[in-house]
Amino acid sequence: QSALTQPPSASGSPGQSVTISCTGTSSDVGGYNYVSWYQQHPGKVPKVMIYEVSKRPSGVPDRFSGSKSGNTASLTVSGLQAEDEADYYCSSYAGSDNLLFGGGTKLTVL
Amino acid sequence: EVQLVESGGGLVQPGGSLRLSCAASGFTFSNYWMHWVRQAPGKGLVWVSCVNRAASIRPYADSVKGRFTISRDNAKNTLYLEMTSLRAEDTAMYYCARGGPYSSGHIDYWGQGTLVTASS
Repeated sequence: QSALTQPPSASGSPGQSVTISCTGTSSDVGGYNYVSWYQQHPGKVPKVMIYEVSKRPSGVPDRFSGSKSGNTASLTVSGLQAEDEADYYCSSYAGSDNLLFGGGTKLTVL
Repeated sequence: EVQLVESGGGLVQPGGSLRLSCAASGFTFSNYWMHWVRQAPGKGLVWVSCVNRAASIRPYADSVKGRFTISRDNAKNTLYLEMTSLRAEDTAMYYCARGGPYSSGHIDYWGQGTLVTASS
């Protein structure tokens, strides 16, 4: 049950695009299309931004998109805005009814 | 409106026990898997456990296996987490969260959390 691997930090200027990676194994990310991404602002509760690799819940801007290749999932934020500055966590179903989270990535909008 | 309200957190000595509760409303509680996720101060999210709709399947993270017990009461729309042999490293905000109708379903709603501090 090792955590999924995310870069500790990422950054971009307003209007730019940034991609955050989430690397697991064939037993979790690579084995299932059940990767989710959560946004958490300081002192706030996490909010789901992407589920099942690339699906967006209603109300989430289409600037947020998700994808997966092999054992690595990615979250791309296009047209960066100041309010996108937050911590982002990936999660993946890991079989046997278990869930795994990534260590989190702090996104800074320069 | 989906609401999840945790309670039961507090300060406990290492080795002690605590029982967390999560009152759910605004949805048919018995139709969903439910999760506990924790977050140590300044750290990331860590999945703790989940329970299926019938409370017959209850997997745990290795770090809490044998010490924590998840349960649910569908008649009371309430999720529980019984924590024993608490350690300093269990200190965290504990979130109750709603999963999907299956174990692979994503978490879509989170409670505000209840803080557990294991310290002497």
